[in-house]
Amino acid sequence: NAGVTQTPKFQVLKTGQSMTLQCAQDMNHEYMSWYRQDPGMGLRLIHYSVGAGITDQGEVPNGYNVSRSTTEDFPLRLLSAAPSQTSVYFCASSSRGIYTEAFFGQGTRLTVV
Amino acid sequence: GDSVTQMEGPVTLSEEAFLTINCTYTATGYPSLFWYVQYPGEGLQLLLKATKADDKGSNKGFEATYRKETTSFHLEKGSVQVSDSAVYFCALSDPTNAGKSTFGDGTTLTVKP
Repeated sequence: NAGVTQTPKFQVLKTGQSMTLQCAQDMNHEYMSWYRQDPGMGLRLIHYSVGAGITDQGEVPNGYNVSRSTTEDFPLRLLSAAPSQTSVYFCASSSRGIYTEAFFGQGTRLTVV
Repeated sequence: GDSVTQMEGPVTLSEEAFLTINCTYTATGYPSLFWYVQYPGEGLQLLLKATKADDKGSNKGFEATYRKETTSFHLEKGSVQVSDSAVYFCALSDPTNAGKSTFGDGTTLTVKP
């Protein structure tokens, strides 16, 4: 029972580089989301998806792209990394309905230098 | 829109002390309520949940009661341990909003021996 799998766990990028953070879930959840967690700022929603082919922006979408070609995968792309994107990134998934608890990946710690 | 407000931290307690972390919410529908816990270096994991008014969620000695009249879901534990040191997030999930979760800012708890 893998749940939500994020890769990589750690990454260092140079300013201006691009990269993709991978997220996969094996629970057939419709809803997937990306958050960033910065000290003292809780979780901030970057992008989310309510199903394959459907994505929408959260509260801090600038500098990030997402796509949802399958139910299982929800990659997050950094187009041109900036030091302000240094953060810990979490992917989460949940199902529709009343008991919609979120399942989180272990996180990706990204440093942009 | 939906929102969650939880008491600011950090909270520092001695072992065996009583813990309360306050949480209030605003939602347009009838949300499910959750407490998540995040241990150092890990993702968030579900601690307990309640899906309707007057429900009590409990797990690992922690409890929280869904109070619709006061729109609250306060987390309590009668006797904390050093191993309870973590960040605690209150959250809601609105079934009218496709399973999207809304999180509080988190409260850091440190328990000293």
